Amino acid sequence: GQNIDQPTEMTATEGAIVQINCTYQTSGFNGLFWYQQHAGEAPTFLSYNVLDGLEEKGRFSSFLSRSKGYSYLLLKELQMKDSASYLCVVMDSNYQLIWGAGTKLIIKP
Amino acid sequence: DAMVIQNPRYQVTQFGKPVTLSCSQTLNHNVMYWYQQKSSQAPKLLFHYYDKDFNNEADTPDNFQSRRPNTSFCFLDIRSPGLGDAAMYLCATSRIQGSGANVLTFGAGSRLTVL
Repeated sequence: GQNIDQPTEMTATEGAIVQINCTYQTSGFNGLFWYQQHAGEAPTFLSYNVLDGLEEKGRFSSFLSRSKGYSYLLLKELQMKDSASYLCVVMDSNYQLIWGAGTKLIIKP
Repeated sequence: DAMVIQNPRYQVTQFGKPVTLSCSQTLNHNVMYWYQQKSSQAPKLLFHYYDKDFNNEADTPDNFQSRRPNTSFCFLDIRSPGLGDAAMYLCATSRIQGSGANVLTFGAGSRLTVL
């Protein structure tokens, strides 16, 4: 079966750095996405990785290792508004999107 | 601004009373999706349209139907809502052109409550 694992919940302090990990086992691989979802709202696109390495976009970076079936989302200089769920999504060989259950990130002052 | 608009944002219905949720897009995307999302769970794909081609997920109950009268609009019909159908329903669109990133743009969602 196809599976995506990410921690259920994480807590971090305002101004700090947090890394949210994602491991996946899918039928093939055509890219990995990270989405942010605030409570009661729709997901919004954060990043896309298809090649190994780090993609940096402002305070957010996303890393991919295809050989390890592993990705992480790195958030720097955390702000209270970063409190949200972060969803790891893999596109398989049939271009189907496989969604993780999301990691709820709680930011404390 | 180009966007995905869902109506209504909140829908309350009685057990067994049909409901229709709508989605419109001004992005000119060729693919439209309907997802169901329950609290603290991943979005679950119900079906999607690739242009006019309808694709139903194998485990989507017959109680859920969809219509796409034109490229801009898509509807989700729940024929006889049960208590287990209470959820957020998310419409999303994307433009698929060959291989490459399939980035979804979501509407704000329609939250369904079943009494």
